[in-house]
Amino acid sequence: AQKVTQAQTEISVVEKEDVTLDCVYETRDTTYYLFWYKQPPSGELVFLIRRNSFDEQNEISGRYSWNFQKSTSSFNFTITASQVVDSAVYFCALSEAGPTGNQFYFGTGTSLTVIP
Amino acid sequence: DADVTQTPRNRITKTGKRIMLECSQTKGHDRMYWYRQDPGLGLRLIYYSFDVKDINKGEISDGYSVSRQAQAKFSLSLESAIPNQTALYFCATSDYRGETQYFGPGTRLLVL
Repeated sequence: AQKVTQAQTEISVVEKEDVTLDCVYETRDTTYYLFWYKQPPSGELVFLIRRNSFDEQNEISGRYSWNFQKSTSSFNFTITASQVVDSAVYFCALSEAGPTGNQFYFGTGTSLTVIP
Repeated sequence: DADVTQTPRNRITKTGKRIMLECSQTKGHDRMYWYRQDPGLGLRLIYYSFDVKDINKGEISDGYSVSRQAQAKFSLSLESAIPNQTALYFCATSDYRGETQYFGPGTRLLVL
């Protein structure tokens, strides 16, 4: 079973629209970390955020916000007033404690296209 | 300067050739990883190393080998490249807790 599910394969929005990228995870650990990475067309992976399982406070960073809900095992990412530069593939990831240290699991990514 | 570097950034090779992808890091991390990315499949773990004497297979290690020459260096080899190894390859590092991984810029490999 997928540890991290990003059900939205591709999303297109018109510039200035808000968009939410969904991420659902599965773990039995009580201590774990959740991440979002951005991969622009140039290919590198850009770290956006890390949340630990004990902190359910939502976070806002400029136009980006993250909604962490343990009750639904979700860690959704919202971009407000989207811009063309937001066009990228976005990956959600889970880090949980394995027998020899943290194991990392990536979702399959959501490709976001922002249309000018 | 980047904390995690990969060389080469792009490589075209022919079926059957041996190639090596190199990764260096200046973060002082013990743990290093190699992933490959294919469209629609996300990142899949090839090999990982928790220190210089430690090598572990990941999800898709067949056809690959690695060498951890020093704490700062982790090389990935394709002994006999085949076309379905065409992918984007990422190196990553983490500290001993492994909570967060930091990625290199990636190497685009095309096997003809």
